[in-house]
Amino acid sequence: EIVMTQSPATLSVSPGERATLSCRASQSVSSNLAWFQQKRGQAPRLLIYGASTRATDIPVRFSGSGSGTEFTLTISSLQSEDFAVYYCQYYNNWPPTWTFGQGTKVEIK
Amino acid sequence: QVQLVESGGGVVQPGGSLTLSCVASGFTFSGYGMHWVRQAPGKGLEWVAFIQYTGVSKYYADSVKGRFTISRDNSKNTLYLQMNSLRAEDTAVFYCAKDSDYGVKVADYWGQGTLVTVSS
Repeated sequence: EIVMTQSPATLSVSPGERATLSCRASQSVSSNLAWFQQKRGQAPRLLIYGASTRATDIPVRFSGSGSGTEFTLTISSLQSEDFAVYYCQYYNNWPPTWTFGQGTKVEIK
Repeated sequence: QVQLVESGGGVVQPGGSLTLSCVASGFTFSGYGMHWVRQAPGKGLEWVAFIQYTGVSKYYADSVKGRFTISRDNSKNTLYLQMNSLRAEDTAVFYCAKDSDYGVKVADYWGQGTLVTVSS
């Protein structure tokens, strides 16, 4: 069973600053890695898939990188609407199963 | 636009049953695989089950295997999750999610969720 570990648990960042979130897989997941944003009381929103491809209508300030076991989500200049919880997700294409990390909360410093 | 609307949540006693529904609109429901994902209060996301677009292939998380059944009615654009032998640890918001158009098994649209509370 693959385990996804995110760090840090909480990240305090000032608006306009860069945020760097990490996700580590317990074994290689190739590039089968997605990132989601979830705001309080809302459903998750897909940001990145394939480790580095932005989903439709996602701003360019969101970027993903990595492959194998180490992945990073970077938000280049935090906007007020970006303060939320971020989850990484390993997806297996077949059988189609998902494993989520425990989340990183990005809060206002 | 794509819409997914879950319903059927509520309070149920331990050992009880509940069936959730997810009505889809804005896309060709019969052409997409669908997932259920849950989130316990204040916790992270947990994948629950998947059903292929035909309804033939189904997969479950170990935590619900043998207790939950995913199904769909393509004529009604509706996804279901039948939940039996419910436990306190099944308390969560349940989301339905649609396979994306990106050619990989990620979800590009999610419903707003329905809350299931298992309590005596």
